[in-house]
Amino acid sequence: GESVGLHLPTLSVQEGDNSIINCAYSNSASDYFIWYKQESGKGPQFIIDIRSNMDKRQGQRVTVLLNKTVKHLSLQIAATQPGDSAVYFCAETRDNQGGKLIFGQGTELSVKP
Amino acid sequence: DVKVTQSSRYLVKRTGEKVFLECVQDMDHENMFWYRQDPGLGLRLIYFSYDVKMKEKGDIPEGYSVSREKKERFSLILESASTNQTSMYLCASNDYRLAYEQYFGPGTRLTVT
Repeated sequence: GESVGLHLPTLSVQEGDNSIINCAYSNSASDYFIWYKQESGKGPQFIIDIRSNMDKRQGQRVTVLLNKTVKHLSLQIAATQPGDSAVYFCAETRDNQGGKLIFGQGTELSVKP
Repeated sequence: DVKVTQSSRYLVKRTGEKVFLECVQDMDHENMFWYRQDPGLGLRLIYFSYDVKMKEKGDIPEGYSVSREKKERFSLILESASTNQTSMYLCASNDYRLAYEQYFGPGTRLTVT
C-alpha cells in the first residue's frame, strides 16, 4: 500500500500542469484496479479502472498506468484544474473476491490557481 | 444512475448509546459494504453483505453489527457507542457479476461524546 501513518501523502501542482499520483499495491495476484476521487465532504467517486492484462488505459484527461513487475499503479491527470483538488485512492481486487476491494490510503492533490 | 443514500450526514451520540446507520441503494445490487474512514488510514471494511440476511466480517468488525433484511437496505449498528468510534462511515454497493466498481454514499460523520 501507500505510506503508513496519520498523514496523507500530498501533491501540490499548479493549475494547468500535469499531475501524477502513485500507488504501490500489495498483492501480485490482483486482477483489477480502480482509481477513486473523493472531494471534501463527499463519498469516493469512480474515475477509471484497469485490468491486470493491460498496461495503460486512457479516459478523459486521465490515464492509468500499471506496472505489474514492481506492483505500481499511477494516475496521470492532464491539465490539472482546481476542481481536481481531492483525495485520490487506488483500490485492488481479484476475480475470486466477490467484489470486495482493498483500498490504498490515498493521496491529497492540491491545485494552486 | 446508481444512487446510494445514507440516513444522516452528521450524527452526535453519547457514549453507551445504541446507534443505527442506514444505507439504501436503488440499483438492485447484491453486495453492500460498510467502511469507516479515518485520516491517514484510508477506507477500512467493517462488514460486507452479499445477499439478504447474509453477512461477512471485514477487517474491523469489533464493536459493530449489521442487518440486511431487504436487498436495498444495509444497516450498521453500534451496540454501545464509544469515543473511538468517532469517524466517517461510508456505505457502498456493487454487483460484482457486472463490475467491481463500488458506488458510495455521501458518508455519515459520527461523533461520540
